[in-house]
Amino acid sequence: DAMVIQNPRYQVTQFGKPVTLSCSQTLNHNVMYWYQQKSSQAPKLLFHYYDKDFNNEADTPDNFQSRRPNTSFCFLDIRSPGLGDAAMYLCATSSRLGGQGETQYFGPGTRLLVL
Amino acid sequence: AQKVTQAQTEISVVEKEDVTLDCVYETRDTTYYLFWYKQPPSGELVFLIRRNSFDEQNEISGRYSWNFQKSTSSFNFTITASQVVDSAVYFCALSSYNQGGKLIFGQGTELSVKP
Repeated sequence: DAMVIQNPRYQVTQFGKPVTLSCSQTLNHNVMYWYQQKSSQAPKLLFHYYDKDFNNEADTPDNFQSRRPNTSFCFLDIRSPGLGDAAMYLCATSSRLGGQGETQYFGPGTRLLVL
Repeated sequence: AQKVTQAQTEISVVEKEDVTLDCVYETRDTTYYLFWYKQPPSGELVFLIRRNSFDEQNEISGRYSWNFQKSTSSFNFTITASQVVDSAVYFCALSSYNQGGKLIFGQGTELSVKP
């Protein structure tokens, strides 16, 4: 089945220690998104890639970076995690940008704990 | 500005009861898209339905039905004969071309179905 895969499902890191979360997709979608979701809140978009074009949300901290080496993979790098970065990180994909109502399909998420 | 309001933060029902989750949206765009996602305790956001602003037909899928009314800017979701497996957080979301296609989420409604 075509799907969005995120690894690992749970990640524990130390305060200030860089961490990378990964996402892969077999849908061959052009767009990949990263969301941060804190407890009892809606997902918050951090950035997205349309093919190789990177689009950062205005309020995404510089501490968050992303890489997309090819169509299938996208990484979220947190350079110096703080306690406030503990959250669920969701990856999503869509075939085109959402301006024409494209559905976003989500992965299972990575739950990040910062000690 | 676009906004989605899910006024019900938590709903608790007993199995086999019918339950309706409310969603009210605000947008100035004439072309827009509405979505419902389900987020079970495992964390993955599961796509349920997409509706465009020109299609006001109600939709039924098994025990799920959706009522889209442009006159009241509402897109409500009803689960008939609820089951324990329906327990989850449900998000309503909005996107439009003029807003760059971003998904604007409501705050979510946590549904608890008790046996």
